[in-house]
This record gives sequence, structure tokens and C-alpha cells, in this order.
Amino acid sequence: GENVEQHPSTLSVQEGDSAVIKCTYSDSASNYFPWYKQELGKGPQLIIDIRSNVGEKKDQRIAVTLNKTAKHFSLHITETQPEDSAVYFCAASMDSGYSTLTFGKGTMLLVSP
Amino acid sequence: NAGVTQTPKFQVLKTGQSMTLQCAQDMNHEYMSWYRQDPGMGLRLIHYSVGAGITDQGEVPNGYNVSRSTTEDFPLRLLSAAPSQTSVYFCASSYGRQTYEQYFGPGTRLTVT
Repeated sequence: GENVEQHPSTLSVQEGDSAVIKCTYSDSASNYFPWYKQELGKGPQLIIDIRSNVGEKKDQRIAVTLNKTAKHFSLHITETQPEDSAVYFCAASMDSGYSTLTFGKGTMLLVSP
Repeated sequence: NAGVTQTPKFQVLKTGQSMTLQCAQDMNHEYMSWYRQDPGMGLRLIHYSVGAGITDQGEVPNGYNVSRSTTEDFPLRLLSAAPSQTSVYFCASSYGRQTYEQYFGPGTRLTVT
């Protein structure tokens, strides 16, 4: 089955800095890669996703890049703010009827004012 | 819309007791899933359903049962609770397959003593 590795497990940055979280996956058939943000005491929430037919996707201060050859994808957050502090999960899946999402172990991002 | 609701929010069980974690969604989503979240382990899929009457196992199904008699509800049953089942449980739903946005509930924190 699919295996998703996520690094780093914790990341501390100063407000205004950029943050990068990296994930690798094992199954070359995977073609959907979402990122979820989990705030303390809440369920995860989708913040951005990318499919294998594109190499980069941006949404305001966040962007995701995908390298299918190397089987890795990354989340980039620019101009970080204290409210970006949360746990971030990457995931991978195939676009087929019974395919399931496999999540990474998560990255705790702390943005200090 | 209430989205995805879970009850209870907190539960303490003794080893060997059984209980049902409730999950309901009002978005007419076909796909529903149960995940458990443990420190340093990310989100692991327990069971999922692609529609009423259809369920399948995920990565960690042992000790749990599910059924899906309606589109709205997807309860998770612990048959004989064990300390290893101490975790935070999240229910999620999506419009279609796993490559659609997953909407997570607020979670149930379960402690088995």
C-alpha cells in the first residue's frame, strides 16, 4: 500500500518568515495530494490540494509543488502569521472508486510573534 | 448546515466495555470514513463507506465494527474496549471518492482504562 513520509515533525519560525513542509510518497499510481490544517481541539480542514497533471498550485500565501518523478510534494507558506500555528498533514491517494487517503504523520508549525 | 457532527466529545471506558461513537452528516455525502489520531502517528483509516449498505476496512480495522444503513449516519462500534484503543477518533465525509475534500467532524476523545 501507499506510504507517506512527512518532514519535519516540528517547525518553528518567526512571524513573517516562510515555512516549508515536505512529503514523499511510495506509490507511483497516486495522483491526488491534499494538505490539511488541524487547529488545536478541532478536526483537520483542507487548505490546498494538487493533482498530478500540474506541478504547482497557489492560493494567496500558500502553495504546493509536486515532483512526480521524485515522488515528493511540498507545502510552502509565505509571510507566516501566528494564526498559521497548527498541525499540517499531507496525504496521497489514487483517483479510483475504492482508493483511500494515506496521511503523513503531521508537522506541528509554531509561528512566534 | 451542521456539517459533520460527532457524539460524544469525550468518553472514558473500562477495559472490556463496549460503546458506539456516533457520526452524522447533513451534506448528502456518499463517502464517509473513520480515522483515529494518535501522537506521532498521524491519521489512520479504520473503516470507510462509499454509500449506504457498503463498508470496507481501512488500515487499522481490528476491534471496530461499522454499518451504514442511511446516507447520513455512520456509527463506529467498539466491541470490547482495550487500552490500545485510547485515541482521538474523527469521522469524515466527502461528496465522492477520496479525491474530493474530506469534511472532518470535531472528534471524540476516548480513554480506555
